[in-house]
This record gives sequence, structure tokens and C-alpha cells, in this order.
Amino acid sequence: RKEVEQDPGPFNVPEGATVAFNCTYSNSASQSFFWYRQDCRKEPKLLMSVYSSGNEDGRFTAQLNRASQYISLLIRDSKLSDSATYLCVVNRAYNFNKFYFGSGTKLNVKP
Amino acid sequence: DGGITQSPKYLFRKEGQNVTLSCEQNLNHDAMYWYRQDPGQGLRLIYYSQIVNDFQKGDIAEGYSVSREKKESFPLTVTSAQKNPTAFYLCASSPRGTANTGELFFGEGSRLTVL
Repeated sequence: RKEVEQDPGPFNVPEGATVAFNCTYSNSASQSFFWYRQDCRKEPKLLMSVYSSGNEDGRFTAQLNRASQYISLLIRDSKLSDSATYLCVVNRAYNFNKFYFGSGTKLNVKP
Repeated sequence: DGGITQSPKYLFRKEGQNVTLSCEQNLNHDAMYWYRQDPGQGLRLIYYSQIVNDFQKGDIAEGYSVSREKKESFPLTVTSAQKNPTAFYLCASSPRGTANTGELFFGEGSRLTVL
């Protein structure tokens, strides 16, 4: 079983739409969680960390459900520039700085 | 400007040849990593190093080798033993103790094609 699983998409949405991605992780000992964004043929970049209480950064909201071992990312008022692949990343605290990446969910925002 | 520099950006290799990908960082980070990404797949960890002169195998280390003689540098050699080396290779670094912040700093990647 993969450490981190994501729906590959693509999610095709119109500008202004709200879209949500989920991600599940297999190891209950996982301690820290993140969303990265990767543009086509570029390197991934940190979008936001995911905290237990949930957190928001502008149009982006991240949630963590430890009991069900899933993480979500909600994007409100989608922009064309949000088109990218969103990677879910998990780290086990005892395995120092060893990050596990999901295969990503592709988002296409259409005019 | 601080960052991670990977070279070359594009590389073509004949089967049976070894090739070395360079990764240099001037962020003063302790930890460095090599990942491989194939189309439609997530990043898979090849090797990582938490400190100079020490490194550990990741999930797919077979056919690869690394060295960490200097803090700034973590070169990856793709050997002829690697059965399917065509991929996008990403080098990353992070400061010590960032397990909870998750900030990996990536280079722009090296795209290796075996002919």
C-alpha cells in the first residue's frame, strides 16, 4: 500500500469555482502534513502546512483528520493561475526529515 | 541569491554509461535529498543525507550512488546498473529540525533521457 494516496484527477473547473482535493496516508504515526504545488515540468514548491486545527491562507484552506488519516485542500474562487498539480506530503517525526509524496492531483481552471 | 543549483538541466546518455548530476546549495542546510519523478507519479526518494560524510538509502537506491564530502554539495551518480534511468531528478535541501515545518527547498531539476 502506498504511503500517501491521492486522486490523480484531472479536476477541470471554471474560474471562480470552489474545488476540494483529498489525500489519505497509511501510517498512523505520521506527524506532519503539507501541500505542495508543482507546475508543469517544474520543481514542487511548498503551498502550505496542514495543522491539526485546520488552517487557512487566503483562498486556500487545509484540514487534517487524524482519525480517518486524511488531509484535504479547499481552493475557493479558483483562478487560472491555480492550474497545477497539487502534491500531498507527509512526514513521520521519528524518521527525521523523511518526506513521503503523493502522486499529485492535477487541477485545470478554465476561463 | 540563496538557493539550490542543479546541473545539467537536460542530459542525454547512452545505455551502459554512468552519469553524474550535480547539486549545490548555498542555504547552509544540513539535510539534502535526491528524488526521482516519473510521469504521473509522485516523488520517490533515492538517497538522503543529514550531515556531511553521512548518507542513507531511500526507497529506490539501487543503481544510484551519492557522496557528501561538503555541506554544500550532494552529487548523484546514475550508474549503468539502473535499469530504467530516464526520469526527472530533483535535489532538495532542508534545515535541521524541519520535520514539522515541511519546507523542502528544491532545485529546478535535471531531466535525464537514456537513448
